[in-house]
Amino acid sequence: GAVVSQHPSWVICKSGTSVKIECRSLDFQATTMFWYRQFPKQSLMLMATSNEGSKATYEQGVEKDKFLINHASLTLSTLTVTSAHPEDSSFYICSARYDDRASYEQYFGPGTRLTVT
Amino acid sequence: ILNVEQSPQSLHVQEGDSTNFTCSFPSSNFYALHWYRWETAKSPEALFVMTLNGDEKKKGRISATLNTKEGYSYLYIKGSQPEDSATYLCAFFGGTSYGKLTFGQGTILTVHP
Repeated sequence: GAVVSQHPSWVICKSGTSVKIECRSLDFQATTMFWYRQFPKQSLMLMATSNEGSKATYEQGVEKDKFLINHASLTLSTLTVTSAHPEDSSFYICSARYDDRASYEQYFGPGTRLTVT
Repeated sequence: ILNVEQSPQSLHVQEGDSTNFTCSFPSSNFYALHWYRWETAKSPEALFVMTLNGDEKKKGRISATLNTKEGYSYLYIKGSQPEDSATYLCAFFGGTSYGKLTFGQGTILTVHP
């Protein structure tokens, strides 16, 4: 099956610093990549949708200047949490798909646990 | 805001038991319903993508049914094994959020040996 990697799997950073998370589709070209955030005991909440070479589309309530998304190629998307604060501590997970039809599944990375101290 | 609900939130069963859980979703503007299995420290893995009312899909001991008119899907596991322990997520594709998945909060299944 299609494989998506995510790096790092966990990161601890100090308040005020920025953190970059990478999401790669290893064996397919992704038409679209998605970034989700999960709070404890809650569902995956979509943060933004990105397509290669174009600006990401952010969900309502997600600060685009805080969560910078770059989709430089058909196999790589990055999420940068800028000037991180403790409230940004969360689990971030990406997914990718190679076909935008409803019948096609998304392929997920293993996620990144971010802790801001 | 689309409402996708899963029940129960968690479930404990003994090895060999059969079990099932529910995903409810909006019955209008339906395109697809996805089921994923998410084991701890791993990537969520797609189990089924269901698109037709009345659809039934099966993969080994796991099967799923779909009722788009009333807005629910059931996931069944026959003869649960400890390796089935995971969080099972459903996700709705459709409505006004075409192109994006809206996830339920998941059902955490623990199968005790």
